Amino acid sequence: GAVVSQHPSWVICKSGTSVKIECRSLDFQATTMFWYRQFPKQSLMLMATSNEGSKATYEQGVEKDKFLINHASLTLSTLTVTSAHPEDSSFYICRALPGARTKALNNEQFFGPGTRLTVL
Amino acid sequence: AQSVSQHNHHVILSEAASLELGCNYSYGGTVNLFWYVQYPGQHLQLLLKYFSGDPLVKGIKGFEAEFINSKFSFNLRKPSVQWSDTAEYFCAVNAQGGGYNKLIFGAGTRLAVHP
Repeated sequence: GAVVSQHPSWVICKSGTSVKIECRSLDFQATTMFWYRQFPKQSLMLMATSNEGSKATYEQGVEKDKFLINHASLTLSTLTVTSAHPEDSSFYICRALPGARTKALNNEQFFGPGTRLTVL
Repeated sequence: AQSVSQHNHHVILSEAASLELGCNYSYGGTVNLFWYVQYPGQHLQLLLKYFSGDPLVKGIKGFEAEFINSKFSFNLRKPSVQWSDTAEYFCAVNAQGGGYNKLIFGAGTRLAVHP
């Protein structure tokens, strides 16, 4: 089946630094990728939607200058948490939507394993 | 805007008990509905989904869900739970025709099954 990977799986950083999280679709092309954040014991909250080659669309309340999203290719999207603070500590999960050409995977949705960010 | 409500935040059951987790959604158009499970320390896994057709959907591990359009509900059921079903369960909705297929999640229900 289709696989989505995330790197790193967990990261600890100091307050004020930036952290980049990668999301890759390993065996399909993902024209659209979504980034979610999950706080402990809470649900997944959609942060932003990105389409390959265009600017991301952010959900209300999500700071686009703080959470930079780049979807430079059909298999890679990155989320950069800039000037991280302890309140940014969370579990970040990406979801990849196969392109229209990948008919076998049509209507399926694939989640990455998540990245746990801890900001000290 | 779409929203998803899960009524039970925590459920505790004994093994072999029956399970029903409520899910209601708010959206006036045609939707796709999903239930996901997240076992401790693991990522989300799809249990079942409804797109169209038979409103009673059967998924993996003995789970099923029934789509009731008039009630905007998509409750998850399992006749007899096992200890290994201990996990968090998320209902999600995806409005059809949306340009980016946004998937909106409910708050989740944490299920604990005691042997």
